[in-house]
Parts: sequence; structure tokens; C-alpha cells
Amino acid sequence: ETGVTQTPRHLVMGMTNKKSLKCEQHLGHNAMYWYKQSAKKPLELMFVYNFKEQTENNSVPSRFSPECPNSSHLFLHLHTLQPEDSALYLCASSQEGIRTGATRYTFGSGTRLTVV
Amino acid sequence: GQNIDQPTEMTATEGAIVQINCTYQTSGFNGLFWYQQHAGEAPTFLSYNVLDGLEEKGRFSSFLSRSKGYSYLLLKELQMKDSASYLCAVMDSNYQLIWGAGTKLIIKP
Repeated sequence: ETGVTQTPRHLVMGMTNKKSLKCEQHLGHNAMYWYKQSAKKPLELMFVYNFKEQTENNSVPSRFSPECPNSSHLFLHLHTLQPEDSALYLCASSQEGIRTGATRYTFGSGTRLTVV
Repeated sequence: GQNIDQPTEMTATEGAIVQINCTYQTSGFNGLFWYQQHAGEAPTFLSYNVLDGLEEKGRFSSFLSRSKGYSYLLLKELQMKDSASYLCAVMDSNYQLIWGAGTKLIIKP
């Protein structure tokens, strides 16, 4: 257990479905992140939240919609996804915001998403 | 563009030593990180280097040369549990983390 919990661990969804990924951190951190991890590719930063405010959106398609109701919870709402969106989605948190140095990230175990 | 290069896969023998290299080309530099990720698990922090030289932490050591844009992770006395992917990441001048694709390390008995 890293202190960052993601649910569900596995998700299979059709292209017309709507689903949500959940992330919860118990570390008292004030920044949270969504990353996409595809096989043999670098981690792709999707969204960043600092103190519940979205500070980064790295050209992510609108079929991915983040929500951060408080500094401990982060959601990723999914709708009308494509097969190429199949990947491991990782949530991370950190004490400082992304724009300070030596930021150590704590990751969750991820949600393995398969779009059929 | 910004780029992190590391080998895709390496194989080593239990009890031996292995060195995983990482070269980077980024817009500025604010530190280099190594993370370990076992299959199906969360990446976990291993080391952070911001100054040149070697940082030792038990069986693991990390080296940085900023002038060469180069780092390596050295794993000694390899154990089967060290089989994992090792991710190199650099924080650029905008404090954005640039990630490598990871090196899958396979340990054989």
C-alpha cells in the first residue's frame, strides 16, 4: 500500500459506455495527477490538480473529464472511448505542486482499462 | 524536442550487478528520478539526483553527469524480487517531469 488507492483495478468497457475511475490519497498531499501508461511508452501526463484547482490539461481529448472535489479525491470520467485508449491509468499525488523542485510522486497501482 | 532514452529490456543473473543507463535531452534540468515498477503495481520512488556524482542507498546507487546528460542506476547483489521495470524521469526547467519508456529488468537464477 502506497497511500494512494485506485479503483477499480481492472475495467472493460464498450465504446458507448460511461464509467469513472477513482483515486483517493491518505497522505495529506495537495497535488494530484492522472497519468496514462501504454506498453513500451513513457508515462503521459494528462491532468494536474493543485489544491483542488486544475492547473494542467495536456491536450487530452474531451472524452476524458477529470473531477477533483477535494484534495484527497480525484476522478476520471470516461465516455465514448476508443480502443486506443486502452492502457493503465495511474493516479499520483505529491506534497508540493508540480512547479517546485524535487517533487517526489506517490503512485497508485493503476486501473487497467480495456476498451472493446 | 525533449527525450529520455533507456534500454527497453535487460537480463541479469541473481547475485550479480547490473547497470541501467539513461540519457536525456531536455529544456533545462531540475533533477533526475528513478522509479521502480513491479508488474501490475505502482511505480515507487528509488532515487533523486540533482548534483553530479554517485548517490548510494543500500544495494542501489544512482549516478548523474549533467554535462553528459547521463545517469545510471546500479543494482548490486541482485535478487529475484528486483525483476521489475525501472523508469528514468527528468524534471525540466518548467518543472515538468519528462519520462523514459522504462527498462524491463529480468533476473534469472
